[in-house]
Amino acid sequence: AQKITQTQPGMFVQEKEAVTLDCTYDTSDQSYGLFWYKQPSSGEMIFLIYQGSYDEQNATEGRYSLNFQKARKSANLVISASQLGDSAMYFCAMRGLTNFGNEKLTFGTGTRLTIIP
Amino acid sequence: DVKVTQSSRYLVKRTGEKVFLECVQDMDHENMFWYRQDPGLGLRLIYFSYDVKMKEKGDIPEGYSVSREKKERFSLILESASTNQTSMYLCASSLWGRSSYEQYFGPGTRLTVT
Repeated sequence: AQKITQTQPGMFVQEKEAVTLDCTYDTSDQSYGLFWYKQPSSGEMIFLIYQGSYDEQNATEGRYSLNFQKARKSANLVISASQLGDSAMYFCAMRGLTNFGNEKLTFGTGTRLTIIP
Repeated sequence: DVKVTQSSRYLVKRTGEKVFLECVQDMDHENMFWYRQDPGLGLRLIYFSYDVKMKEKGDIPEGYSVSREKKERFSLILESASTNQTSMYLCASSLWGRSSYEQYFGPGTRLTVT
């Protein structure tokens, strides 16, 4: 069974500072993928970044980067130069396979990030 | 752009009613998913479908059923709604076959059962 743990229910960060959102995972699969999604107050889920378990380089997408430490089973999201529009709920998720070989995502409980002007 | 639509943004139903939540995607995705989102619990997978008429239980399927008669449409059914099914319901879809394929989400349906 896969498990995602996000230990920070909420964070307050000053605008323009860098932010690290923590995510640890547990799986017995050799092949898996890690995702981060953003959910603004409007409710839609927005895909931010993906890291495959065999990817040697940390994933980056604009101001977002994923600090992937396989041995520690962590996949932290780093947001550089935070902006007011970054205020949202952030979810870490892991792709794995079910017992029938189908793909599914397991989500963490989320971190609510608030950027302070 | 991928578009996933859900039939209602807000829904209020009475205990014991049969409730249908509809989801439609327009990008020919094989996989479709239903989640419920509750504060402090994140998103939990109820059911998903990887092909027409094919389904698999997620982590919390009790009290729910699903139907997928056409590739683009995936319905979540609450056979007899109960107050503990008051929640935000999110539908998602994705391509099958590559681990990097992200899921695309609909806007959500906030269901209140009274």
